[in-house]
Amino acid sequence: DGGITQSPKYLFRKEGQNVTLSCEQNLNHDAMYWYRQDPGQGLRLIYYSQIVNDFQKGDIAEGYSVSREKKESFPLTVTSAQKNPTAFYLCASSARGQGRQPQHFGDGTRLSIL
Amino acid sequence: GNSVTQMEGPVTLSEEAFLTINCTYTATGYPSLFWYVQYPGEGLQLLLKATKADDKGSNKGFEATYRKETTSFHLEKGSVQVSDSAVYFCALSGSSNTGNQFYFGTGTSLTVIP
Repeated sequence: DGGITQSPKYLFRKEGQNVTLSCEQNLNHDAMYWYRQDPGQGLRLIYYSQIVNDFQKGDIAEGYSVSREKKESFPLTVTSAQKNPTAFYLCASSARGQGRQPQHFGDGTRLSIL
Repeated sequence: GNSVTQMEGPVTLSEEAFLTINCTYTATGYPSLFWYVQYPGEGLQLLLKATKADDKGSNKGFEATYRKETTSFHLEKGSVQVSDSAVYFCALSGSSNTGNQFYFGTGTSLTVIP
C-alpha cells in the first residue's frame, strides 16, 4: 500500500546536537511538507517542497533545515539553533495541483530533549 | 488575511450523542474548506472537504456544509461512537500575496464515552 513512512517514532536529542527526522513516500507525490504540532496550537508549517531540488520556508523555519534530493524523500534536520525542539513532527505529501493542500500524512515523530 | 477559528475543546460526549464542532473562517476570494481527523498516536487523515459555497462534504457519517453567508464550516455527526474519539482540525486553502496557502485550525479534541 502507498503511504508515508516517518522514522523514528520517538527521538531524543541532547543539548547542542543536530538530529534528522526521516520521511519517505511511495505515492509518487511531487509536494512534501513538514509540520510541527504543539498542544493547543494546531499544525505549523516548517518547510515545504513542490519539486525535487527545490524547497521553501514555511512559517517557523528558523532552526530547521531540509533537503529534497529525491522525490521520495524529504528529511528534516532539527539543528542546535532550534531552542525549543520538543514537539510532534508530521510529514505530509500531495500530488501536483493540490495548491499546498496536504493529502497524506505520516504517523509522526515525537522529539524530546534529554 | 486567511485564518480558521474552531471551537476550543476538549469535548466529551456519550455514545450516540449528536456532535457539532464549530469552525469559522476568514478568507479573501473563494477558499476551499476541509476537516481532518487525527486518531491517537497517528498522523492526520482528510475526513471531508468542500470547494464552493453550499457544498456539503460528507464521510463516515460526518457532514459539514460550506456556508458563505456565515463564513462557517461546522462539523456534525448524528450519533457518535467511541471510535470517533480523536482530534479534529478545520482547515482552509486560499489565496494570498505569496500564492495559494493552507491554514489549519488549532484542533478540537473529542472523547466519546460508552
